[in-house]
Amino acid sequence: KQEVTQIPAALSVPEGENLVLNCSFTDSAIYNLQWFRQDPGKGLTSLLLIQSSQREQTSGRLNASLDKSSGRSTLYIAASQPGDSATYLCAVRKTGKLIFGQGTTLQVKP
Amino acid sequence: KAGVTQTPRYLIKTRGQQVTLSCSPISGHRSVSWYQQTPGQGLQFLFEYFSETQRNKGNFPGRFSGRQFSNSRSEMNVSTLELGDSALYLCASSKGQGGNNEQFFGPGTRLTVL
Repeated sequence: KQEVTQIPAALSVPEGENLVLNCSFTDSAIYNLQWFRQDPGKGLTSLLLIQSSQREQTSGRLNASLDKSSGRSTLYIAASQPGDSATYLCAVRKTGKLIFGQGTTLQVKP
Repeated sequence: KAGVTQTPRYLIKTRGQQVTLSCSPISGHRSVSWYQQTPGQGLQFLFEYFSETQRNKGNFPGRFSGRQFSNSRSEMNVSTLELGDSALYLCASSKGQGGNNEQFFGPGTRLTVL
């Protein structure tokens, strides 16, 4: 059974810091891995999608990497801003569904 | 291009009632999936529809059902509501059914069961 774990559960950093969010999964037989952002009470915003054959994807200040063999992905956020405060979720695509981690709640202090 | 839309955004029901939630996917997207989000269980997969057929189903009781119409819009129904059904219900759409398709989520419907 596929399990997805995100560490840490919560993170508080001062503005301007570079930070790394971690995601691990137990079954390497995945189609892809997606990182999402969720603001309180809102839906999910897709940040990055990494196909199983890829090693990383970049969008602006965000960079996500994928190591299928070790079952790990990281989301790197450069020069963090207060507007980055949200919950970040990773999800692996297995057959027809996404399996989500519990998320990392990020607070960026001005 | 409009995103995924869900209606209603908020709903309050009492135990024993039934409820229908609606989801309109991004134009051109043919696959619709539903997820339940609760503080205790996180995000859990309910079901996936493609071309009006349920393709995958999560581990939820039969009180949870859904359907998809020819225009790809989808509805989800929950019968005999229980307190534990209170959750944020999220709909996601993708172009195709294949595993390499990116999923885009709507704003969700917040269901409260009293």
